[in-house]
Amino acid sequence: AQSVTQLGSHVSVSEGALVLLRCNYSSSVPPYLFWYVQYPNQGLQLLLKYTTGATLVKGINGFEAEFKKSETSFHLTKPSAHMSDAAEYFCAVNEGLLIFGKGTTLSVSS
Amino acid sequence: EAGVAQSPRYKIIEKRQSVAFWCNPISGHATLYWYQQILGQGPKLLIQFQNNGVVDDSQLPKDRFSAERLKGVDSTLKIQPAKLEDSAVYLCASSSPTGGATYEQYFGPGTRLTVT
Repeated sequence: AQSVTQLGSHVSVSEGALVLLRCNYSSSVPPYLFWYVQYPNQGLQLLLKYTTGATLVKGINGFEAEFKKSETSFHLTKPSAHMSDAAEYFCAVNEGLLIFGKGTTLSVSS
Repeated sequence: EAGVAQSPRYKIIEKRQSVAFWCNPISGHATLYWYQQILGQGPKLLIQFQNNGVVDDSQLPKDRFSAERLKGVDSTLKIQPAKLEDSAVYLCASSSPTGGATYEQYFGPGTRLTVT
């Protein structure tokens, strides 16, 4: 059965610092992988997705993620954090149904 | 293009009462999903519709939850009777029929339900 593990329920960074949010998945077939962001009292917004092809995927707001099959990972990064990046981030895998991780709350301090 | 609409945004009820949530998907999106998001967890799929037919409802607690999508557009999710553990955000999402598992799902703002 597919599953998603997000390491660290809460990540804190300073403005301008590197953002790294970790995601590992289990899947019996090549997965489709997603990162969503959720701002307070809002629905989920797609940041980026991996389906096939290039393993480094670029998304909105300067985020990117790299699919590493050997490590079963799909970590999310952003070179320089901004205050507006503070939100909850969810990694998800899709094998017909979308399965979400428990989420990581990102805090950004000035 | 208008996004996924949901109402109400907030609802407070007592246990054993009933409640209904409404969702209007993006125009032309054939697939509609209802998710339950409990505080501190990721969304969990409750039910998926393709047009007005149910594709998957394996995680829907059918003794108290029901959902319908008449005419293949709007959908209603009902809980009767509610329990304390039903307190959560209920998210509706929709997706376009073109594509496979790569469908991008578009989410509504959610309905926050508090059961007291």
